[in-house]
Amino acid sequence: GQQVMQIPQYQHVQEGEDFTTYCNSSTTLSNIQWYKQRPGGHPVFLIQLVKSGEVKKQKRLTFQFGEAKKNSSLHITATQTTDVGTYFCASQGGSEKLVFGKGTKLTVNP
Amino acid sequence: DVKVTQSSRYLVKRTGEKVFLECVQDMDHENMFWYRQDPGLGLRLIYFSYDVKMKEKGDIPEGYSVSREKKERFSLILESASTNQTSMYLCATRRGSLYYGYTFGSGTRLTVV
Repeated sequence: GQQVMQIPQYQHVQEGEDFTTYCNSSTTLSNIQWYKQRPGGHPVFLIQLVKSGEVKKQKRLTFQFGEAKKNSSLHITATQTTDVGTYFCASQGGSEKLVFGKGTKLTVNP
Repeated sequence: DVKVTQSSRYLVKRTGEKVFLECVQDMDHENMFWYRQDPGLGLRLIYFSYDVKMKEKGDIPEGYSVSREKKERFSLILESASTNQTSMYLCATRRGSLYYGYTFGSGTRLTVV
C-alpha cells in the first residue's frame, strides 16, 4: 500500500533556529496533510495541500507540495519553545484511508 | 469546534478481558476512525467507518472489532485483551469528503497487564 516516509525522525534545535521536516513517497500523492502533536497530546490538523507546487504559509510555518506531488516539506522559521512536538505528514491512501508518516519529533532548547 | 470525546484517558485491564473503548463526536461527521499509536511505529489504522453499521478493516485489525450503531458513536472492542495491545488509542472523525482534515480525540492510554 501507499507509504509516506518522513525524515528526520528527530530534530533538536536552539530557539531561533529554523527547522524543516520532509515527507516523501514513491507514488504520486493525491494530497498531503500536516499534523502537530504536542507532548502528551493528540494530533491536531494544521493544513492540507492538494495542488502540484502548492505553497501555503501559517505565520512562521511554510508548507510545500512538490511539483511531482511525491514530496512535501514543513519549514518553521525561527523556532520557539511553543513549536515543540511531533509533526506528521499524511496522505490519502485507497478509499477513505489516511496514511501517516512516522513523524519528526522536534525539541527546542531555550 | 468539533468535539471528539473518548470515554477514558487511562485504562488498565487484565489479559483476557473484553475491553470497550468508546468514542463520541458531536458534529455529525460521517467518517470515524480508530488508530493506535506506538513509539517508533507511528499511527496505525485499526478500523474505520464511513456510515452507521458500516465498517472497514484498516492495516492492523487483528484482535479488534468495532461497532457503529449510531452516527455519533464508534466503539473499539478488544475481544480478549493481550499485553501487545498496550498502547495509546486515538479516535478520529472527518467530514464526508476526502479532502478534510481529521479531528482527533484526546486518546485512551490502555495498559494490559
